[in-house]
Amino acid sequence: SQTIHQWPATLVQPVGSPLSLECTVEGTSNPNLYWYRQAAGRGLQLLFYSVGIGQISSEVPQNLSASRPQDRQFILSSKKLLLSDSGFYLCAWSRSGNTIYFGEGSWLTVV
Amino acid sequence: KNEVEQSPQNLTAQEGEFITINCSYSVGISALHWLQQHPGGGIVSLFMLSSGKKKHGRLIATINIQEKHSSLHITASHPRDSAVYICAVRGRGGADGLTFGKGTHLIIQP
Repeated sequence: SQTIHQWPATLVQPVGSPLSLECTVEGTSNPNLYWYRQAAGRGLQLLFYSVGIGQISSEVPQNLSASRPQDRQFILSSKKLLLSDSGFYLCAWSRSGNTIYFGEGSWLTVV
Repeated sequence: KNEVEQSPQNLTAQEGEFITINCSYSVGISALHWLQQHPGGGIVSLFMLSSGKKKHGRLIATINIQEKHSSLHITASHPRDSAVYICAVRGRGGADGLTFGKGTHLIIQP
């Protein structure tokens, strides 16, 4: 069966510090991978998606970047965090035209 | 860009009541998802629809493509159904990500 793991689950980071959230998928190959963010009081927003290794599409301009160094690994990064980066980050995967599966999520608080 | 509207935003009901949550969107889609988010943040996909109706246990989801509208129904609601229910749509671009509604916060009181 397929599983998706995301870590860390929670983190508190100072403004200006770097960020790395990691997501891995098991039990499938060549998945579509996604990073979403849910800011306080707001709905989920797509940040990045990837249809293959090294292929990243960005939906919104921001302080974040994503990379896909391996088929089933998706990383969300920032060189210098802003207060506005605080929120709940979700990794997800799907196969085109099929249902979507979400990771457990990562709560980020920038202080 | 697809606009996804959900109603109601908040809903409190008594155990056993029949629950309906509505979702409308503005642009044609390839699929619509109903998701359930628990207080800890984890999200589970309940349904993926492209037409008609699906049923899973006490949950029923319907979609009307012509009217760009979907509903999620919960029969014989139970306190464990308390969660945020989110409607999300996928455009016709294949791998593109989802566009989400803001969610409906449902509380079922015993």
